[in-house]
Amino acid sequence: DAMVIQNPRYQVTQFGKPVTLSCSQTLNHNVMYWYQQKSSQAPKLLFHYYDKDFNNEADTPDNFQSRRPNTSFCFLDIRSPGLGDAAMYLCATSRGTAKSYNEQFFGPGTRLTVL
Amino acid sequence: AQKITQTQPGMFVQEKEAVTLDCTYDTSDQSYGLFWYKQPSSGEMIFLIYQGSYDEQNATEGRYSLNFQKARKSANLVISASQLGDSAMYFCAMSRRGAGSYQLTFGKGTKLSVIP
Repeated sequence: DAMVIQNPRYQVTQFGKPVTLSCSQTLNHNVMYWYQQKSSQAPKLLFHYYDKDFNNEADTPDNFQSRRPNTSFCFLDIRSPGLGDAAMYLCATSRGTAKSYNEQFFGPGTRLTVL
Repeated sequence: AQKITQTQPGMFVQEKEAVTLDCTYDTSDQSYGLFWYKQPSSGEMIFLIYQGSYDEQNATEGRYSLNFQKARKSANLVISASQLGDSAMYFCAMSRRGAGSYQLTFGKGTKLSVIP
């Protein structure tokens, strides 16, 4: 089945130790998104790629970076995780059409713990 | 700027009863889309239903229907015949045109608990 896969599902890191979360998709979608979702809050868009074009949200901290080496894979790098970065990180994809109907398909998320 | 408001932090419903989850929105766009997603405790966001701003009929998908009232800027989700598996967080979202593609703005969510 076509899907969005996130690894690992649970990630524990230490304060200040760089960590990378990965996302892959078999949907061949143009757009890949990264969201941060803290406990009992709405998902917050960090950035997205439209093909190779990177689009950063204005309030995304510099501590968060992303890479998309090919259509299928996208990575979220947190250079120096702080306690406030503990959250669920959701990856999503969409076809990237010009229409307002732009269903996003989500992965299962990676729950990040910072010690 | 777009804004989505979900005023019900938590809702309870008896199994097999219907429930309405409220969503109001604010936008200056003429063309937009409204979505509802379900998020179980496992964390995955599951797409439920979509309504386009120019759609004249309310969207329906199985037990889910969207009560779209454009003049009131509301897009309430109705779940009929609730099941225990419907217990989850429900997010209303609106598409907004961003760089390169449409993006989603989410409301804060409503936690639905289905009582046996």
